[in-house]
Amino acid sequence: DTGVSQNPRHKITKRGQNVTFRCDPISEHNRLYWYRQTLGQGPEFLTYFQNEAQLEKSRLLSDRFSAERPKGSFSTLEIQRTEQGDSAMYLCASSYAGTGLSEQYFGPGTRLTVT
Amino acid sequence: GIQVEQSPPDLILQEGANSTLRCNFSDSVNNLQWFHQNPWGQLINLFYIPSGTKQNGRLSATTVATERYSLLYISSSQTTDSGVYFCAVESADSSYKLIFGSGTRLLVRP
Repeated sequence: DTGVSQNPRHKITKRGQNVTFRCDPISEHNRLYWYRQTLGQGPEFLTYFQNEAQLEKSRLLSDRFSAERPKGSFSTLEIQRTEQGDSAMYLCASSYAGTGLSEQYFGPGTRLTVT
Repeated sequence: GIQVEQSPPDLILQEGANSTLRCNFSDSVNNLQWFHQNPWGQLINLFYIPSGTKQNGRLSATTVATERYSLLYISSSQTTDSGVYFCAVESADSSYKLIFGSGTRLLVRP
């Protein structure tokens, strides 16, 4: 049983470029979440999907951010026109909804540096 | 929204010592999880504990939901326990997102 995987693990980009991250959840999990973590802080929620439906978005998710989960499997998070303030660790998590338990499991993260 | 406060913010221990980390939350929760973040940033699940007490080796956790706090106990600490410990809660307002505290940074010295 593999855990949550994320690619790439590290991304360095120049300000103004677009970047896309991928998350592959645990195979039987139907909920997928994206979080962002800046240095010295706890992770902050960005958005989540149940199957392919995006059900909640944080106000942190500006219009430069878009997330998709086609077919309810993997998910992508795209940031357009990156800014230096977007530099952070982007974490993906997944959980199974259905038994009343909703324990979330996290991937290793994608560390984004915007120069 | 719900607030999550962790204490202490920083903790330095000598190897072999015991410690207690605290998490207070401001409203009812459906879920509470404790995580250990390693130096590479990976969040490792320690406990899923919306209420009650659980133990796993040298670690144990207790959540008293009616009083809105949770405790994480580390006994006989080891240098590999160093890192950041996060408490995260899922509010009872039907939102499934986790709200994290700011963490406790633990350093265990040999």
